[in-house]
Amino acid sequence: EVQLMESGGDLVQPGGSLRLSCTASGFTFSDFWMTWIRQAPGKGLEWVATIKKDGSEKYYVDSVKGRFTISRDNAETSLSLHMNSLRVEDTAVYYCSRYEETPRRLLNYWGQGTLVTVSS
Amino acid sequence: DIQMTQSPSSVSASVGDRVTITCRASQHIGGWLAWYQQKPGKAPKLLIYAASTLQSGVPSRFTGSGSGTDFTLTINSLQPEDFATYFCQHANSFPHTFGGGTKVEIK
Repeated sequence: EVQLMESGGDLVQPGGSLRLSCTASGFTFSDFWMTWIRQAPGKGLEWVATIKKDGSEKYYVDSVKGRFTISRDNAETSLSLHMNSLRVEDTAVYYCSRYEETPRRLLNYWGQGTLVTVSS
Repeated sequence: DIQMTQSPSSVSASVGDRVTITCRASQHIGGWLAWYQQKPGKAPKLLIYAASTLQSGVPSRFTGSGSGTDFTLTINSLQPEDFATYFCQHANSFPHTFGGGTKVEIK
């Protein structure tokens, strides 16, 4: 059974940093791209970042470029999101998801999410 | 970046109704469109990918259509468990933008 488990969400002050983790199991982690998606309270979904299977390609939404870094450890089957210079508008539930890039380009497994609150 | 415009933002319907949700891309995206269902407090669930392919285990009352810039999700004979919020997402190029969502509410 595919499982994705996020952790690391917390209350942090504006300008602060946080590292989110996603532990994967039930599939060959190194065979799949991985994606972070976030959802602000009461709002829609926002794609945040995607990383290729081997970590050689990374893509970000403009609003987090230069502040967030997506990374992965295939040996540990884990995905991370390092978040710096956090802003109030980064407050959201952050989901990790398995991205099947080839051939279907879909997000077919999601974690339960972890809440990041940026507030003074 | 490609923008995804979803409409309506909400719809009230009754059990047994047919509901249609549209999603328009600001640029041609071929068939690289997926639909997700989300219930309160839960992670989204994939319903349809490649515009019209039903994900395994999803009831056949959900159908997707369209290509290029205009796409539709239709729910035939709405069931109580279908009251939720639906999102489209393109996967043509990064960033893989989501639509704003459509909340299907009970009339």
